[in-house]
Formats: sequence, structure tokens, C-alpha cells
Amino acid sequence: KNEVEQSPQNLTAQEGEFITINCSYSVGISALHWLQQHPGGGIVSLFMLSSGKKKHGRLIATINIQEKHSSLHITASHPRDSAVYICAVRSGDSNYQLIWGAGTKLIIKP
Amino acid sequence: DGGITQSPKYLFRKEGQNVTLSCEQNLNHDAMYWYRQDPGQGLRLIYYSQIVNDFQKGDIAEGYSVSREKKESFPLTVTSAQKNPTAFYLCASSQHLNAEAFFGQGTRLTVV
Repeated sequence: KNEVEQSPQNLTAQEGEFITINCSYSVGISALHWLQQHPGGGIVSLFMLSSGKKKHGRLIATINIQEKHSSLHITASHPRDSAVYICAVRSGDSNYQLIWGAGTKLIIKP
Repeated sequence: DGGITQSPKYLFRKEGQNVTLSCEQNLNHDAMYWYRQDPGQGLRLIYYSQIVNDFQKGDIAEGYSVSREKKESFPLTVTSAQKNPTAFYLCASSQHLNAEAFFGQGTRLTVV
């Protein structure tokens, strides 16, 4: 079993829909990252969080440390949000190592 | 503009040849990393460097080599010993090992 599991693996939605991507992990962590990978391959960091909730524009990330679960929400989704969204956790034991989820491929149709 | 530059974007090589992937950053970051990404899998750490003239093996270092002679540069050599080199390679850097990482655009290597 992977230490970081993302769901769903693939998600297709219509423009305007509210999107939720989930990340569950099985290790103790010091921080969790949400990143976005565009079709060209480049990766952009969206959030780094260790508790609570963060918001940036239409993106919201939440984390529940007790349940070892995080969610990434996109409000008023747009076709330009189409990308792979990746969850990665920084292990509490080894601070430099990121443990990566396999990613969620999101397609927003106009 | 500050950032990380990987080159080339696409690279083709014949089996048995060594190939070097370039990664340059002008963010004045101490730490740099190389990851490999395969379809349907999370990124896997190949090598990382905490500071100039120092580097450490990651989870899948076999068949790869790196150098860190300058702070801004962290080239990765894929050697002929790497059994399955065709993959997407991502370079990243961070202010220090625990800080948020910034990524390059990646290099897609195809070995034929």
C-alpha cells in the first residue's frame, strides 16, 4: 500500500463545478504539499500546510492531522484548471524527503 | 526572472550512451533535487544536494550520477548502467532541505 493515496485517479467535470481531490497518508508528517502539473510537465507548488486551511483565489486546501487526510477544492472550475494535481507529504521522521502521491488528472470541460 | 531552467525539454539517446541533463537555478537556493516521474507513479527521488560540493543518493540512485560544483547548477548524468532510463526527469530547488521546493519544466528522455 502506498504511503500517500490520492482519489480519484481521474476526474472529468463541467466548467463551473465544485471540485474536490482527496489525499490520505499513513505516515507521521511535518507538512503536506499540493502541487499542480500542467500538460507540458512543469510543476507549480500550490500550498504547503501543516494544519487547518489555506485559500488562494479559487483554490482551498484543508488538512486533518488526526485523520491523516487532506483535500484540495476548486470553486467555479474553469478549463484552465485542467492539470494533474499532486499531493506530497514531508515525513516527520525525515524532513527532507517528500513522499509523493500518484496524482489526480483533472479535466474541466467547457 | 528567477527560476529553474532545465534543458533540453526533449532528449533522445541511443541505448548504451551516457547522457547529461542540465538544471540551473538563479534563486540562490542551497538545496537541489532530481526526481524521476513514470506514468501512474509518484515522483521518485534520484539524488539531492544540500549544499555546494555535497550530494546524497535518493531512493533510486543506481545508474545515475550528479555533481554540484556550483551553487546554481546540478547536472544529472544518466549512465548506460541505468536499466530503464526512458522517463520524465524533474529538477527542483529549495532554500534549504525543509523549505518549499520550486520545480523546473522537466526533461523527457527517450532512449531507443
